Amino acid sequence: AQKITQTQPGMFVQEKEAVTLDCTYDTSDPSYGLFWYKQPSSGEMIFLIYQGSYDQQNATEGRYSLNFQKARKSANLVISASQLGDSAMYFCAMREPTGANNLFFGTGTRLTVIP
Amino acid sequence: DAGVTQSPTHLIKTRGQQVTLRCSPKSGHDTVSWYQQALGQGPQFIFQYYEEEERQRGNFPDRFSGHQFPNYSSELNVNALLLGDSALYLCASSSGTGRNTGELFFGEGSRLTVL
Repeated sequence: AQKITQTQPGMFVQEKEAVTLDCTYDTSDPSYGLFWYKQPSSGEMIFLIYQGSYDQQNATEGRYSLNFQKARKSANLVISASQLGDSAMYFCAMREPTGANNLFFGTGTRLTVIP
Repeated sequence: DAGVTQSPTHLIKTRGQQVTLRCSPKSGHDTVSWYQQALGQGPQFIFQYYEEEERQRGNFPDRFSGHQFPNYSSELNVNALLLGDSALYLCASSSGTGRNTGELFFGEGSRLTVL
């Protein structure tokens, strides 16, 4: 079974509007971490935001927030006030258990911001 | 402060050949992980090196091997190349064995094409 599922191959958003990128995960381990990375055309994976399974509050980092719904096993990324530079591939990833060495990545969502 | 640097950025090999990819971690980091990202997919964990030893390995054959040097830099070697080895190979560095959140820093990758 896929550990990370991203069902949106591509998304479009108007500049200055908000957009939600979906991510669901599958794990039986109570201790895990969820990540979102941005990958521009240069190839580098840029860390955006992290949510631990025991964190009580949803994570926020500037214009990025993570809508963590533990019972539904979803960890959607919300980008507010979209900018042209936000156009990129976005990957959801999970580390289980929290101290593990490797990340499992989804297949990504390509976000295009329209001027 | 230099981030993660990888070389070469692009290379072309033929089936059956061998390839070596190199990675210098971010300053202050002592752990290096390697990921393979096939076209249109998310990265997949190959292995991680810490204290010059392979600490964890993903589901990759023995044709994939690595090394970590005393200065924490690392090499990824792939023998007997197959067409399916064509991918972007990403190096990620971190401190310790990756127990903290969001501290994985990725390089821009080495794009390998096997003909």
